[in-house]
Amino acid sequence: DTGVSQNPRHKITKRGQNVTFRCDPISEHNRLYWYRQTLGQGPEFLTYFQNEAQLEKSRLLSDRFSAERPKGSFSTLEIQRTEQGDSAMYLCASSLSGTQYFGPGTRLLVL
Amino acid sequence: KNEVEQSPQNLTAQEGEFITINCSYSVGISALHWLQQHPGGGIVSLFMLSSGKKKHGRLIATINIQEKHSSLHITASHPRDSAVYICAVRSKTGNQFYFGTGTSLTVIP
Repeated sequence: DTGVSQNPRHKITKRGQNVTFRCDPISEHNRLYWYRQTLGQGPEFLTYFQNEAQLEKSRLLSDRFSAERPKGSFSTLEIQRTEQGDSAMYLCASSLSGTQYFGPGTRLLVL
Repeated sequence: KNEVEQSPQNLTAQEGEFITINCSYSVGISALHWLQQHPGGGIVSLFMLSSGKKKHGRLIATINIQEKHSSLHITASHPRDSAVYICAVRSKTGNQFYFGTGTSLTVIP
């Protein structure tokens, strides 16, 4: 257990539905990252927050994806109008000075 | 072409063998990370490097910035080392991270 928690751990949804994932980082960590990982691949960077500011977004993050970190603590990642291609593991990581600590991930299955 | 390439993709070793996993990257970086991912999906950060060499227990990581290459070595490998090892680099210009596809290591008793 790295101290980073993610909820839910698993989510099954129908195509077209909206889903929201939550990440609670290690409390003193000011940096928070979201990644997506599909089977057999390495994680892909989605977005990065420093405190409450979203400083970087990957081009992978289409307009159906939005992430927030309103108070600089927990973060949410929302996917609107889910598609089957969104099925993946969504990973969150936090850091203070460089080393990233990963959460257990939320596994999304879109039917 | 991926910004980060790892080799080999799969590796099977006998317990006790010395293991090397290689990582090459094509972008300017501020740091390189080696990560370990277990079958359940959990990811653990092993090393963060910006130059030289680091050692932690039986694990050694090296980086050559000029050649844009890093290696992860495992000495006296053990079945519990079986996992996927992922190389990731942090871009020099910002906070983009690029990941390799991982090396799946199996250590046989």
